[in-house]
Amino acid sequence: EAQVTQNPRYLITVTGKKLTVTCSQNMNHEYMSWYRQDPGLGLRQIYYSMNVEVTDKGDVPEGYKVSRKEKRNFPLILESPSPNQTSLYFCASRGHPGSPLHFGNGTRLTVT
Amino acid sequence: GESVGLHLPTLSVQEGDNSIINCAYSNSASDYFIWYKQESGKGPQFIIDIRSNMDKRQGQRVTVLLNKTVKHLSLQIAATQPGDSAVYFCAETSKTSYDKVIFGPGTSLSVIP
Repeated sequence: EAQVTQNPRYLITVTGKKLTVTCSQNMNHEYMSWYRQDPGLGLRQIYYSMNVEVTDKGDVPEGYKVSRKEKRNFPLILESPSPNQTSLYFCASRGHPGSPLHFGNGTRLTVT
Repeated sequence: GESVGLHLPTLSVQEGDNSIINCAYSNSASDYFIWYKQESGKGPQFIIDIRSNMDKRQGQRVTVLLNKTVKHLSLQIAATQPGDSAVYFCAETSKTSYDKVIFGPGTSLSVIP
């Protein structure tokens, strides 16, 4: 089944403790992206990647890092999480430009 | 389930009625538009898309209308069912920047059995 898989689904951590949210897709998509979703603010892009070793900032990149060493994986790294990064995070991928995004089922992160 | 928005516009419809969800888009250069459905606890799911060279596209029980003059999109759902209850987002992008997708705030659809 074609899908985007994120792990974990739920994560509770403390301020400053580094964490990684994994994302993997099995559709051989070149483009992958991370979003955060907050009440009243909708979906906002954090980082995206057009291909292996090519990443770029989205609208809200501060406090996040990403890497794209392989085509299928696009992890989101929070080196020093803060409470304002408490949010619902989605990874997405797409095939050719001008095609719809495929989303994972989300990671609910709480930073205390 | 997950709450995706505390201040979303809400539409309540009776089961079996037709639903119309509206969206105003922001960029006159946008040429590709997508509707997504997000159920509680899940990621957004593609429903239907339309390109700017069309003004109407139909899928199974869904129709998208595009009015470029007033930068307006609508999603029509025929014979709405309880399983249609979800948050619906429109999204826009353009060939000059397909890496950037702008999402609307979403509309919460509630179907009354």
